Amino acid sequence: TQLLEQSPQFLSIQEGENLTVYCNSSSVFSSLQWYRQEPGEGPVLLVTVVTGGEVKKLKRLTFQFGDARKDSSLHITAAQPGDTGLYLCAGGPTGTASKLTFGTGTRLQVTL
Amino acid sequence: GAGVSQSPSNKVTEKGKDVELRCDPISGHTALYWYRQSLGQGLEFLIYFQGNSAPDKSGLPSDRFSAERTGGSVSTLTIQRTQQEDSAVYLCASSYRGGRWFNSPLHFGNGTRLTVT
Repeated sequence: TQLLEQSPQFLSIQEGENLTVYCNSSSVFSSLQWYRQEPGEGPVLLVTVVTGGEVKKLKRLTFQFGDARKDSSLHITAAQPGDTGLYLCAGGPTGTASKLTFGTGTRLQVTL
Repeated sequence: GAGVSQSPSNKVTEKGKDVELRCDPISGHTALYWYRQSLGQGLEFLIYFQGNSAPDKSGLPSDRFSAERTGGSVSTLTIQRTQQEDSAVYLCASSYRGGRWFNSPLHFGNGTRLTVT
């Protein structure tokens, strides 16, 4: 069974601070996606990283896929209250697996 | 265009009763997934449908859980003899599985919040 552990589980910071969320596994994934979920809604895709070592930027968010494709990180610069939510990483299927494996989630709260 | 629609949005039921949760995927999406989410945590995979292939039921937690997808579109998740530990948010997602899978992200509904009393 492929498992994805996210850290930290909870993070409460003030507006303007920087933060990094980690997504780690002992398994290799073909690719990795990051989703954000707001209360009462389903997760929404932020980015997909495919190549080991790949870095993608989405405004103030920077995503990196580990060289060995076992881990990923999400860095947010100058966090804003609108960044508040549950961040989920999801590992892409390998071999004949058909489903995404979701991480344990990181709940982020950004206050004024 | 319309997104993934789930109904009901909230369901309260008594322990031992059966419940049916419905998912209307995005038109044209061939893949449909059910996930369960407890207390705002990560998502637990339940079942996956892809076209006319046999569904991947490997995530169903017990034989009280079943799901079907009629005509390659609407899906129903049924929980029989509900237990309090079944209380959670049940999320449905669909995707278009053309080409490489990672070019077809999951589109989630807003979920059904199930409370078993």
